[in-house]
Amino acid sequence: GAGVSQSPSNKVTEKGKDVELRCDPISGHTALYWYRQSLGQGLEFLIYFQGNSAPDKSGLPSDRFSAERTGGSVSTLTIQRTQQEDSAVYLCASSPMINTGELFFGEGSRLTVL
Amino acid sequence: KQEVTQIPAALSVPEGENLVLNCSFTDSAIYNLQWFRQDPGKGLTSLLLIQSSQREQTSGRLNASLDKSSGRSTLYIAASQPGDSATYLCAVGQKSGYSTLTFGKGTMLLVSP
Repeated sequence: GAGVSQSPSNKVTEKGKDVELRCDPISGHTALYWYRQSLGQGLEFLIYFQGNSAPDKSGLPSDRFSAERTGGSVSTLTIQRTQQEDSAVYLCASSPMINTGELFFGEGSRLTVL
Repeated sequence: KQEVTQIPAALSVPEGENLVLNCSFTDSAIYNLQWFRQDPGKGLTSLLLIQSSQREQTSGRLNASLDKSSGRSTLYIAASQPGDSATYLCAVGQKSGYSTLTFGKGTMLLVSP
């Protein structure tokens, strides 16, 4: 597709369940980012992938959060044993080159944990 | 730790006005600065990207300036239209080689017909 695609667009789950969020970046983009946007808060960096390099996981809030990127393209963000404070919009972005730094965002996955 | 502040938090103007949105950051050692627009329930749309070596960027009715030494950027919107109503986010990139952005909380703009 022409833009960054994320699925599901909305996810409602019960506390304690695991969820997977998917991101399909713009074709050819080497960098992929996950951010979290909570109500009333700014965007919070979670994790960054660049090519075949080890990901920068410095923003992941706890060990319940993990992400992988298969084949340098699609990425999956997994949240295990979800908590109510995990409720947020999870945004994925991709970038074409290292040094331009310009990010292109998907429309996000809204997660609600009951 | 980089902190990004956007003022005002909300702004309401009549159609046709020129307006300025402000962004300030605490660490001037930035790599770039990016302005985004976010419509309700949507993702972010990139408006303008300014590299640290640049002073301003223009796109249509939008002009963004960067004063790295004072830690400030402004987004100027000329002849505002109701379709400009959205939240505008400023984000600062810190690291060369790749850019993880630190975001402000945004300015919510409402342009009335």
